Amino acid sequence: DVKVTQSSRYLVKRTGEKVFLECVQDMDHENMFWYRQDPGLGLRLIYFSYDVKMKEKGDIPEGYSVSREKKERFSLILESASTNQTSMYLCASSYIGTESYEQYFGPGTRLTVT
Amino acid sequence: GQSLEQPSEVTAVEGAIVQINCTYQTSGFYGLSWYQQHDGGAPTFLSYNALDGLEETGRFSSFLSRSDSYGYLLLQELQMKDSASYFCAVIGDDKIIFGKGTRLHILP
Repeated sequence: DVKVTQSSRYLVKRTGEKVFLECVQDMDHENMFWYRQDPGLGLRLIYFSYDVKMKEKGDIPEGYSVSREKKERFSLILESASTNQTSMYLCASSYIGTESYEQYFGPGTRLTVT
Repeated sequence: GQSLEQPSEVTAVEGAIVQINCTYQTSGFYGLSWYQQHDGGAPTFLSYNALDGLEETGRFSSFLSRSDSYGYLLLQELQMKDSASYFCAVIGDDKIIFGKGTRLHILP
């Protein structure tokens, strides 16, 4: 069974704080993704990575950065959290190439910024 | 640009059949996926269509027409546990774009 784990299920932070969300997968997947999910907006891609130390911007990268130092770990960083970053954050991983259509998701982190 | 359209909500009766449609506009199209997400849960992969036609997996089937940029998910013999949100997703150039999701309500 593929396992994608995220460091926290719920997180409450104050405006201006630096926030780290961590994601670990155990299937040796090349691709890793960070999404945010908001009611009525579906899943929106923030950043993705197809290899260690590689990163690509998704549709809404503003206010976020990422780090991938090891293949199994992909971190999402909010340099200075703002209230409009209150959301559900989902990490996912997949194989690269023709099998990239099947993504495996972590349980999500519900972040509240006050 | 890229866009996907799917209905925001669909309601059906337990034991019936329901179809959730998805139309898309994209460049570099490779295929269409479907995901299911229960309240409070993570999305889980259901199916993938790269070629035109119908793919069947148990009670769920997925269809694709590349020429019409259209696909659908068909759920048969609906059960209460099928109450969830369903997302279509377009895959292109190693990037996946999700629709906004369709909330499926099932009445007993």
